[in-house]
Amino acid sequence: KQEVTQIPAALSVPEGENLVLNCSFTDSAIYNLQWFRQDPGKGLTSLLLIQSSQREQTSGRLNASLDKSSGRSTLYIAASQPGDSATYLCAVLPYGGSQGNLIFGKGTKLSVKP
Amino acid sequence: EAGVAQSPRYKIIEKRQSVAFWCNPISGHATLYWYQQILGQGPKLLIQFQNNGVVDDSQLPKDRFSAERLKGVDSTLKIQPAKLEDSAVYLCASSFSTYEQYFGPGTRLTVT
Repeated sequence: KQEVTQIPAALSVPEGENLVLNCSFTDSAIYNLQWFRQDPGKGLTSLLLIQSSQREQTSGRLNASLDKSSGRSTLYIAASQPGDSATYLCAVLPYGGSQGNLIFGKGTKLSVKP
Repeated sequence: EAGVAQSPRYKIIEKRQSVAFWCNPISGHATLYWYQQILGQGPKLLIQFQNNGVVDDSQLPKDRFSAERLKGVDSTLKIQPAKLEDSAVYLCASSFSTYEQYFGPGTRLTVT
């Protein structure tokens, strides 16, 4: 059974700091891995999607890496800003079963202090 | 492009009452998903539709939850009767392919 773990559960950093959020998964048989952002009381916003054949994806100040063999992904945020404060969720789309069944971690709650 | 629409945004009901949530996916998206997100947890898939057919409802508590997608567009998720443990955010998502899902703002349900 696929399980997704995110560490740390919460993180507080000063503005301008570079930071890394971690995601691990137990089964490497995945189609892709996705990072989402969730603001309080809001839905999920997709940040980056990495296909299983890719090693990383970049969008602006965000860079996500994927190492399928070790079951790990990292989300790197450069020059953090207070507006980056949110909960970041990692999800994998496993092979087999329903192709829509994203398996999510519990998220990392990020707080960026001005 | 308009995003996924959901209503209501908030709902408070007493246990044993019934409630319904509505979702309008992005135009042209054939696949629609309903997720349940309990506080402090990641979302969990309840049901997936491809057009108006059910692809996966293995995690839907069918004794109290039901969902339909009429004409392959809008969808309704119903809970009857509600229990305290149904308190959660109910998220609707849609996708053109099965590989990237777009989420709505969610409906926050509180069962008292």
